[in-house]
Amino acid sequence: DVKVTQSSRYLVKRTGEKVFLECVQDMDHENMFWYRQDPGLGLRLIYFSYDVKMKEKGDIPEGYSVSREKKERFSLILESASTNQTSMYLCASSSSGQPNEKLFFGSGTQLSVL
Amino acid sequence: SQQGEEDPQALSIQEGENATMNCSYKTSINNLQWYRQNSGRGLVHLILIRSNEREKHSGRLRVTLDTSKKSSSLLITASRAADTASYFCATEDSNYQLIWGAGTKLIIKP
Repeated sequence: DVKVTQSSRYLVKRTGEKVFLECVQDMDHENMFWYRQDPGLGLRLIYFSYDVKMKEKGDIPEGYSVSREKKERFSLILESASTNQTSMYLCASSSSGQPNEKLFFGSGTQLSVL
Repeated sequence: SQQGEEDPQALSIQEGENATMNCSYKTSINNLQWYRQNSGRGLVHLILIRSNEREKHSGRLRVTLDTSKKSSSLLITASRAADTASYFCATEDSNYQLIWGAGTKLIIKP
C-alpha cells in the first residue's frame, strides 16, 4: 500500500522555537508538496519540489523553508514559530509528468504554537 | 476568493439517500479533482475529470463537469455512514496552478 508518512500527528511548540516537520513517501514520487489547512480556507500551498535539492515557493512561503536532500523525504522548517502558524500541515506527493494530478497525502500534523 | 468553491458548506442526509455537492470556479481549467478528508486526517483522491469530459463514474461516485457554467457536481449514491467526511474540489488552471475549495462537510445519519 502506498504511503506518505508524516512524523508527528500532534505537536505543541513555543513561540520562537525552530520546528521541523518531516515527510517521507515510499512511492518513488518526484513531486512533493507542503500545504497548510485552516478552517474555511481550504488548502494553501507553502512550498513544493519536483526533484531532489529542488524547491519552489508556493502561495504562502513566508516564515517557512524546506529541505529535500533525498527523493523520498521533504522537510518543512519553521525558522521561528509564531502563533499564526498554528495550523494543520499536510504533506503530499505525486508522480512525474502530471504533478498536480492524483496527490497522495499524509495524515497531517496538527501544530499548535503557544 | 477561492477558485473552487463548494456548495453547500455542510450537508446532512439519511443513510441510503444520495448526496450531491457542487463546485464552482472562475477561470478556465485543465482538469478538476475531488478529494475526501475524514476528520483530522489527510485527503484521499476520489476522481479526476478533464476539461474535455462531461461525466465520469467510479463505483458509487458520479462527477459531472459543465465548462460553460464553470461548475462540477459530485454525486454519491446510496450513502453510507463511512461516507461522512469533508469533500474538496481542486482545479488546475491554465497556468498549472492547483487551487482548492474550502470543502463541503457531509454527515450521514444512521
